[in-house]
Amino acid sequence: QQQVKQSPQSLIVQKGGISIINCAYENTAFDYFPWYQQFPGKGPALLIAIRPDVSEKKEGRFTISFNKSAKQFSLHIMDSQPGDSATYFCAASMRGWGKLQFGAGTQVVVTP
Amino acid sequence: SAVISQKPSRDICQRGTSLTIQCQVDSQVTMMFWYRQQPGQSLTLIATANQGSEATYESGFVIDKFPISRPNLTFSTLTVSNMSPEDSSIYLCSVEGVYGYTFGSGTRLTVV
Repeated sequence: QQQVKQSPQSLIVQKGGISIINCAYENTAFDYFPWYQQFPGKGPALLIAIRPDVSEKKEGRFTISFNKSAKQFSLHIMDSQPGDSATYFCAASMRGWGKLQFGAGTQVVVTP
Repeated sequence: SAVISQKPSRDICQRGTSLTIQCQVDSQVTMMFWYRQQPGQSLTLIATANQGSEATYESGFVIDKFPISRPNLTFSTLTVSNMSPEDSSIYLCSVEGVYGYTFGSGTRLTVV
């Protein structure tokens, strides 16, 4: 059972454009929603995370939008740069669960 | 956030053999997590390792195939036993910290 669904599978965006990745979850007990960035040959690195008590969180060029009623959250990468080319994973967890449920991943390519 | 060191970073192994992967954390943590990332895929939790108790395995993963040790609060090992080409994956260690879950850089295993 796929508890976190992520789309699109891949994304090509021009430099300076906006990358948008969407995730939907099923378990209403989830209360922690991080995004990870992974470069080839590296482990995933925490990019930004949100809890359901806020609808939006921004850190630099990265913004998470969260819609609790729709059970959806998304990552927006503003002013995308070639260095942002990587695979992005959304995930979900809950207090006391101690593990992450990952989405399938989105490969983002930013063209010069 | 915690700094995780994993060894080896990569290995090529013969089928039927076993490989032990080490995970060292620079701070004491209660739980350590082992994930598998098959080629081009997302991350799947193998097991949760607590110090002083048996590891808890996720559905589809068994102790005979993936024995885990957790001798202290900063170290864990995962063994991939009786390997087959289907075990070719990246194996990642993770811990939970104040700022979320941190991952090691992974062990890229190729079974031939």
